[in-house]
Amino acid sequence: QKEVEQDPGPLSVPEGAIVSLNCTYSNSAFQYFMWYRQYSRKGPELLMYTYSSGNKEDGRFTAQVDKSSKYISLFIRDSQPSDSATYLCAMSVESGYSTLTFGKGTMLLVSP
Amino acid sequence: EPEVTQTPSHQVTQMGQEVILRCVPISNHLYFYWYRQILGQKVEFLVSFYNNEISEKSEIFDDQFSVERPDGSNFTLKIRSTKLEDSAMYFCAEGGNSGNTIYFGEGSWLTVV
Repeated sequence: QKEVEQDPGPLSVPEGAIVSLNCTYSNSAFQYFMWYRQYSRKGPELLMYTYSSGNKEDGRFTAQVDKSSKYISLFIRDSQPSDSATYLCAMSVESGYSTLTFGKGTMLLVSP
Repeated sequence: EPEVTQTPSHQVTQMGQEVILRCVPISNHLYFYWYRQILGQKVEFLVSFYNNEISEKSEIFDDQFSVERPDGSNFTLKIRSTKLEDSAMYFCAEGGNSGNTIYFGEGSWLTVV
């Protein structure tokens, strides 16, 4: 079983839609959860950082962590064409800056 | 978000040649990392560096790889004898002070021919 699984997509939505991106994981020791956005041939850009279970909101983005189900989500409200990118989930055990384990990423396409 | 500068942005090298990838990190971060991403694959951890020494390395980080911070600022990844399968995007990253998480550079795209 892969440690972090993420549907590669592509996920195509119209502008203004609510987007839901998800990851599942197998290692119950993960405590720190991040979402990165990656444009083609660019470095991952940190979007959200969450510790343990719960919700966190930042502007149009909401991150949710359900440790009991080993399931994390990123919601994007009022999606824009500029949100078109690959979204990577990442997680770590010991701290927010210990070794990150990434999902493969979900490609999101937002059409005008 | 902090800016981590990497050079070169793209390098093409012959198999068997040595390559050095460079990173100029933000001054007050404590931890430095190299990750790589083979085209179409996951971002994978290579090595972490703390207090001028390796703190953790992955199985990928074998004897052909080395890291150093020679002048206290630049952080380098050396690949001694490149193989075709080393073709990937290499990301420098850092963390430890701001926001309790890791920030990535724009990457160096390495093509081995």
